[in-house]
Amino acid sequence: EAGVTQFPSHSVIEKGQTVTLRCDPISGHDNLYWYRRVMGKEIKFLLHFVKESKQDESGMPNNRFLAERTGGTYSTLKVQPAELEDSGVYFCASSQPQTGVQDTQYFGPGTRLTVL
Amino acid sequence: RKEVEQDPGPFNVPEGATVAFNCTYSNSASQSFFWYRQDCRKEPKLLMSVYSSGNEDGRFTAQLNRASQYISLLIRDSKLSDSATYLCVVNQSGNKLTFGGGTRVLVKP
Repeated sequence: EAGVTQFPSHSVIEKGQTVTLRCDPISGHDNLYWYRRVMGKEIKFLLHFVKESKQDESGMPNNRFLAERTGGTYSTLKVQPAELEDSGVYFCASSQPQTGVQDTQYFGPGTRLTVL
Repeated sequence: RKEVEQDPGPFNVPEGATVAFNCTYSNSASQSFFWYRQDCRKEPKLLMSVYSSGNEDGRFTAQLNRASQYISLLIRDSKLSDSATYLCVVNQSGNKLTFGGGTRVLVKP
């Protein structure tokens, strides 16, 4: 079974440009999450989709970040315009709800974003 | 104060030895707890969930102390392949995971 995939693996852009990151969750997983790790900090939650709906977007840093999950399959995270402090590794994760137990989040390999 | 705190290490461990480390969490209402493993420049991977009664998976033993708000991980008979960063992860509400900064473990021959 294919795991969570993310594209691109690396992106280098200049300040002020736009970047779109893509995540394909494990097939059939309703839950999709975005996290990021900026240099020297711990991984932090950005938002959570259940199918195509945003369940929790409390971790989104500001309105330069826009996440979508049209059709409830893959998701995109757009940063526009990018700032230097947006540099970091953006992880996507997916999970499938289970009855009575905490569902396991499976992480993708991440997109390493560098803003110059 | 960070929501989840870990000693960053590194813990230098001779091969075959036992190593243990903790993490503390600040939110007493936290619902579930995990240890993830992260290799250099790779994604976090679930090592094990942590249950109130403590649980074991092969050479790995996890404990939860709700009263003192800490979680521990013990690795017995360390292997070179155990070298990694171990992330303490807490689910405070919903499905939003909160990560510690990680504890780096280096197992040496």
